[in-house]
Amino acid sequence: EVQLLESGGDLVQPGGSLRLSCAAFEFMFSDYAMTWVRQAPGKGLEWVSTIAAIGTFYADSVKGRFSISRDNSRNTVYLQMNSLRAEDTALYYCVKGLHYLDYWGQGTLVTVSS
Amino acid sequence: EIVLTQSPDTLSLSPGERAILSCRTSQSVWRRYLAWYQQKPGQAPRLLIYGSSNRPTGIPDRFSGSVSGTEFTLTISNLEPEDFAVYFCHFYGTSRTFGQGTKVDVK
Repeated sequence: EVQLLESGGDLVQPGGSLRLSCAAFEFMFSDYAMTWVRQAPGKGLEWVSTIAAIGTFYADSVKGRFSISRDNSRNTVYLQMNSLRAEDTALYYCVKGLHYLDYWGQGTLVTVSS
Repeated sequence: EIVLTQSPDTLSLSPGERAILSCRTSQSVWRRYLAWYQQKPGQAPRLLIYGSSNRPTGIPDRFSGSVSGTEFTLTISNLEPEDFAVYFCHFYGTSRTFGQGTKVDVK
């Protein structure tokens, strides 16, 4: 069964940086786009970024601060987050898919606070 | 940017009843690009419907999706105890946005 395991979430000060990782299992990782979606505590879902064969895409709220990448040899996708703000506090989900999102990890928590 | 507005915010029903959830788009969109997800407390979302009306393998047929104009609808025909959850719609066309969610709780 498809599994996505996120890691790297932590408490970080405003202006700091963090790199999230997501290890993928049981599907042909290199064939699929991967997406990050976040959910602030008690709030709804927000698309963050997608990496696909056709390129990388970012929400306006993170453009210029976040960078998505992947290592197909490690079946892993990354989210480098710089210049973090309080409003970036959320549970970050790694998700398989370019359009609809068919498999979700359990998320890794990022807290931005002084 | 497409804005998705879900209604109602909360739907209080009893097991066995039918749930009808609405997701309205701020402008006309291609129906292929609308999905629905279910999220239970402490869990990740689960894909229920894609392409406005298609069910992935393993999703029960009591879940169905439809569209009329700019209004997309998720219908749960016969609520089971495990269906009480929050439901999000998701547009994945030229922009990628989610609705704010509808909570289906026990009456």
